[in-house]
Amino acid sequence: GNSVTQMEGPVTLSEEAFLTINCTYTATGYPSLFWYVQYPGEGLQLLLKATKADDKGSNKGFEATYRKETTSFHLEKGSVQVSDSAVYFCALSLNTGNQFYFGTGTSLTVIP
Amino acid sequence: SAVISQKPSRDICQRGTSLTIQCQVDSQVTMMFWYRQQPGQSLTLIATANQGSEATYESGFVIDKFPISRPNLTFSTLTVSNMSPEDSSIYLCSVRLAEVVSPYEQYFGPGTRLTVT
Repeated sequence: GNSVTQMEGPVTLSEEAFLTINCTYTATGYPSLFWYVQYPGEGLQLLLKATKADDKGSNKGFEATYRKETTSFHLEKGSVQVSDSAVYFCALSLNTGNQFYFGTGTSLTVIP
Repeated sequence: SAVISQKPSRDICQRGTSLTIQCQVDSQVTMMFWYRQQPGQSLTLIATANQGSEATYESGFVIDKFPISRPNLTFSTLTVSNMSPEDSSIYLCSVRLAEVVSPYEQYFGPGTRLTVT
């Protein structure tokens, strides 16, 4: 089947620390991979995406590389800010259908 | 991208009543989706709403409980019927843009936070 497994939170970091949120997936086809972010009280926003193996998605200082050999799409940022505090969701979509599969979300809190 | 609005943004309802949630998009889209996000949990797809046809429901969700309308390419409604406290969730509308072929990325509305007492 298709599924996404995310690193459990919550994660608390000091400002300017390095962030990694792990995400691995299983898929029956060739998925596209996404990271969405949900700020407090808001809906989900697309953060970055990758459509094929070895693609690197990047946005707002965040990066994730589509690793087919390890079926992973880990999210990284070199120096987090307080404004990055949010819940981060890893997701996959099979290009043959409409279904999105979301991970359980990882809550990140960045303290000054 | 697409700008998506939802009404209401939040509501507190009594059990046994129904609430209709509206989703409006600023451009014409083929595919619209309704998700539920229960407290502290991830998103679960309720149904896919296609214009001109009946919605397609995922396992565990039925039309009598969650009737959906899709009268045109920019608008959809989801009704949560005969509510119970277990229906307390955030309900999110999302869209897939017609011109996007691959990947099938989706854009989300701000959500409707529903509390049933």
